[in-house]
Amino acid sequence: KQEVTQIPAALSVPEGENLVLNCSFTDSAIYNLQWFRQDHGKGLTSLLLIQSSQREQTSGRLNASLDKSSGRSTLYIAASQPGDSATYLCAVSWGIDSNYQLIWGAGTKLIIKP
Amino acid sequence: DTEVTQTPKHLVMGMTNKKSLKCEQHMGHRAMYWYKQKAKKPPELMFVYSYEKLSINESVPSRFSPECPNSSLLNLHLHALQPEDSALYLCASSQGQAYRQGNEQFFGPGTRLTVL
Repeated sequence: KQEVTQIPAALSVPEGENLVLNCSFTDSAIYNLQWFRQDHGKGLTSLLLIQSSQREQTSGRLNASLDKSSGRSTLYIAASQPGDSATYLCAVSWGIDSNYQLIWGAGTKLIIKP
Repeated sequence: DTEVTQTPKHLVMGMTNKKSLKCEQHMGHRAMYWYKQKAKKPPELMFVYSYEKLSINESVPSRFSPECPNSSLLNLHLHALQPEDSALYLCASSQGQAYRQGNEQFFGPGTRLTVL
């Protein structure tokens, strides 16, 4: 069984700080890992996808890393801005006999204070 | 075009009403998904269509009825819903056969459903 945990559940930091969000998973046999952003009451925006063979992906101020052996991924946000305030979800693509499904973490609610 | 669109954005319905949610994508994706999301919870998978065929039904009550008229469209028909069905309903799509290739999923903005 695969379980995904995100710590912390909530985080509040001043604008301009660099920060790290954490995602851990119990079974390292994942196909890929996705980080999503969700604004309050809105849909999900895919931020970064890391394939199981990759170590990291970058997009603008975002950098996601993956360490399968330890069952961890981090999302690094540089020079945070108030517009980064949202809930960040990670999900792993995992399955048995090549039948994959997304297993979700509960999310980290991020507040960037001006 | 990497967009998944959903209509309506908001829907209020009574327990005796029949309504439908619509989802559309023009990325050539052949896998489409319906999720239900309650407040402060991650999305819960409801249905998966792969090449216009229903491949996964996660034990969803029959008052929810999915339909995939073609490779670009996905509908969710609603009938005799309960107040506890109030939630954000999300549609997603991905390349290739659903759940065989673990491909990246793209989500729509969702429909906020309120059942009175």
